[in-house]
Amino acid sequence: DGGITQSPKYLFRKEGQNVTLSCEQNLNHDAMYWYRQDPGQGLRLIYYSQIVNDFQKGDIAEGYSVSREKKESFPLTVTSAQKNPTAFYLCASSSDLGGYGYTFGSGTRLTVV
Amino acid sequence: KQEVTQIPAALSVPEGENLVLNCSFTDSAIYNLQWFRQDPGKGLTSLLLIQSSQREQTSGRLNASLDKSSGRSTLYIAASQPGDSATYLCAAGGGGADGLTFGKGTHLIIQP
Repeated sequence: DGGITQSPKYLFRKEGQNVTLSCEQNLNHDAMYWYRQDPGQGLRLIYYSQIVNDFQKGDIAEGYSVSREKKESFPLTVTSAQKNPTAFYLCASSSDLGGYGYTFGSGTRLTVV
Repeated sequence: KQEVTQIPAALSVPEGENLVLNCSFTDSAIYNLQWFRQDPGKGLTSLLLIQSSQREQTSGRLNASLDKSSGRSTLYIAASQPGDSATYLCAAGGGGADGLTFGKGTHLIIQP
């Protein structure tokens, strides 16, 4: 079945450590997105990519980095510069600038320990 | 910049009732509007997608309407069931490269 796979489901980060969240899709979608979800704040856009080897900052990109070397993959790195990384991270994909809607993964919960 | 508001923030009703969730958006130049369901600790499940040229979409007991001119969408749930308990999110698609703008959601509890 086509879909988006995020891993791991749970991730723990120590202070000063970089961690990478995985997002893979087999929907043949061109565009991929990373959102952050905090209680009471809704979803906020971190980064997005329309095509391979190209990506743009969203509303809250500081402290995060991404790469898009393959159409299927859009990993997100949470760097030590992100001072409040504890959140639920959701990856999404779409085709035709979202004309057919957006598909989301099951999320990764990141906790700082 | 698009802003999406969902009212109410929380709703608790007895099983069997019909209910309406409201979503409003500030910029009527949307490409489409999508309703999602989110269960605790889970990802988003798409419920309905309404294109800007459409007035409504239906799937089973769910019906979503769109009024672009007034900047509103509603999600109607008929004959509610305890399994409908979840958070419902409304999101406006601008048709650009930067994805969706989300409301904060309505947390729905259906009492058995």
